[in-house]
Amino acid sequence: DGGITQSPKYLFRKEGQNVTLSCEQNLNHDAMYWYRQDPGQGLRLIYYSQIVNDFQKGDIAEGYSVSREKKESFPLTVTSAQKNPTAFYLCASSIGIGPSSGNTIYFGEGSWLTVV
Amino acid sequence: AQSVTQLDSHVSVSEGTPVLLRCNYSSSYSPSLFWYVQHPNKGLQLLLKYTSAATLVKGINGFEAEFKKSETSFHLTKPSAHMSDAAEYFCVVSDRETSYDKVIFGPGTSLSVIP
Repeated sequence: DGGITQSPKYLFRKEGQNVTLSCEQNLNHDAMYWYRQDPGQGLRLIYYSQIVNDFQKGDIAEGYSVSREKKESFPLTVTSAQKNPTAFYLCASSIGIGPSSGNTIYFGEGSWLTVV
Repeated sequence: AQSVTQLDSHVSVSEGTPVLLRCNYSSSYSPSLFWYVQHPNKGLQLLLKYTSAATLVKGINGFEAEFKKSETSFHLTKPSAHMSDAAEYFCVVSDRETSYDKVIFGPGTSLSVIP
């Protein structure tokens, strides 16, 4: 079945460590997104990519980095510069650059990152 | 600039009674509007979407929403709540800002269903 796969589901990070969250989609979508969700709160956009080898900062990009070397993959690295990384991270994709023309955003199951 | 307001952070209903989750938006353009549902520790699932076709939109699991431009509202309803409806619900608005789509998520409404 087509969909978005995020891994790992749970990840623990030590202080000063960089960690990478994986996101793979087999929907043949051009656009991919990373969102952060803090407990009891809404979603905030970290980075998005409209096409391979291109990506743009979202509202809270500081302390994060991404790459888009392949259409199906959009990994997110949480660097040591991100001072409060404990959160639920959601990867998403859509056919085009967004849903204003009716393109739905599809979400992965999410990854929990905890600083220990 | 776009914005989304979900008027209730938490709604509690009894099983078998109607559900109403309220959403108001602001948009400078003709928006697309969506409702998503999130169960605990899960990703978001699309319930329904409005994209300038019929103003009454039917979605999955018996949910529907009506787009009212004059009231800038897109409230989500269901005639009879089921225990499995207990989840977080997000209203989402998107329109074309400058040269790219801007997606705005509401803060979410937590729905509790009492047996």
